[in-house]
Amino acid sequence: DTAVSQTPKYLVTQMGNDKSIKCEQNLGHDTMYWYKQDSKKFLKIMFSYNNKELIINETVPNRFSPKSPDKAHLNLHINSLELGDSAVYFCASSQRGQSGNTIYFGEGSWLTVV
Amino acid sequence: QKEVEQDPGPLSVPEGAIVSLNCTYSNSAFQYFMWYRQYSRKGPELLMYTYSSGNKEDGRFTAQVDKSSKYISLFIRDSQPSDSATYLCAMGSGGYQKVTFGIGTKLQVIP
Repeated sequence: DTAVSQTPKYLVTQMGNDKSIKCEQNLGHDTMYWYKQDSKKFLKIMFSYNNKELIINETVPNRFSPKSPDKAHLNLHINSLELGDSAVYFCASSQRGQSGNTIYFGEGSWLTVV
Repeated sequence: QKEVEQDPGPLSVPEGAIVSLNCTYSNSAFQYFMWYRQYSRKGPELLMYTYSSGNKEDGRFTAQVDKSSKYISLFIRDSQPSDSATYLCAMGSGGYQKVTFGIGTKLQVIP
């Protein structure tokens, strides 16, 4: 059983399109995240939700909109895609107060904007 | 100055060597420290978690935290080619505060 699963794994799309990445966790965690890993491999947080409530919103263009229908799901919708959005996007989850909020990652979604 | 500094490498060692990976940090509020391993085209996976200063051992891996020096280390004994990956340090202060990652050190263990 995959603990944190995200789809699609690979996505190639044209500039200006709108796309979504879906994420689900079956760990029973109360907090979910979206991270972006750029070409230099730097892993940077974008958003964090706790029990469906937005907790962390880093400086991310408002073309990126997370949606959490319940605490097991956190989807990422991206409008008007730009070349610079090409990166790997990781969904993750943690349980607040458990082992220092240790984060568990999904396998990543490779987004290429052409 | 970045909150977390980590040498990106690459670091190449022969099989069987002892590997030392390190991170320094500037935020004295960090209380818990983690090491993640990331294979190519995979998500980071948690290797070690430690709270506050001290050592923690798990098989061939030892994590060390020195809060007075704001310095953490991961030691890998008897390194294997399967240890070839990028190792990311991560740290946080708990609560709703975000976890901050280092840039990762790419390790290659040569047979």
